[in-house]
Amino acid sequence: DGGITQSPKYLFRKEGQNVTLSCEQNLNHDAMYWYRQDPGQGLRLIYYSQIVNDFQKGDIAEGYSVSREKKESFPLTVTSAQKNPTAFYLCASSITGAYGYTFGSGTRLTVV
Amino acid sequence: AQSVTQLDSHVSVSEGTPVLLRCNYSSSYSPSLFWYVQHPNKGLQLLLKYTSAATLVKGINGFEAEFKKSETSFHLTKPSAHMSDAAEYFCVVSVGTDKLIFGTGTRLQVFP
Repeated sequence: DGGITQSPKYLFRKEGQNVTLSCEQNLNHDAMYWYRQDPGQGLRLIYYSQIVNDFQKGDIAEGYSVSREKKESFPLTVTSAQKNPTAFYLCASSITGAYGYTFGSGTRLTVV
Repeated sequence: AQSVTQLDSHVSVSEGTPVLLRCNYSSSYSPSLFWYVQHPNKGLQLLLKYTSAATLVKGINGFEAEFKKSETSFHLTKPSAHMSDAAEYFCVVSVGTDKLIFGTGTRLQVFP
């Protein structure tokens, strides 16, 4: 079955450490996105990529980095520069935004 | 600029009664609009989408929404609530052909 896989489902990180969240899709979608979700704030766009080897900052890119070396994969690194990284992170992909996105099941990151 | 406003952060209904989740949008041109549902600790699932075809859009699980340009609204309705409908619902507008803008969400509670 086609879909998006995010791993791990839960992730714990010590302060000062970088951590990488995985997102893989087998839908042959060109565009991929990373969102952060906090209670009561909806979803906020971190980074997005419309084509391999290219990506753009979203609304809250500071403290995050991404790469897009393969069409299927769009990993997100949460760096130590992100001051409040505890959140639920969602990855999505699309043919084009006008047709909506397909979402992964999310990764809950907790800084301890 | 495109935006969406979900008018209620929480809605409570009894099982078997109608559901109304309200959404107003702002767009400088004909928008694509979506409703997504999110169950706890899960990704988002597309309920329905409007892309300038019929103004009354039918989605999954008995939900539907009506696009009203004169009122700039895209309210989500269901004739009879089920316990399994309890979740968070997001109204979303497409910006151009790539990015989506999410509302802040409406939490639906269903009481027996």
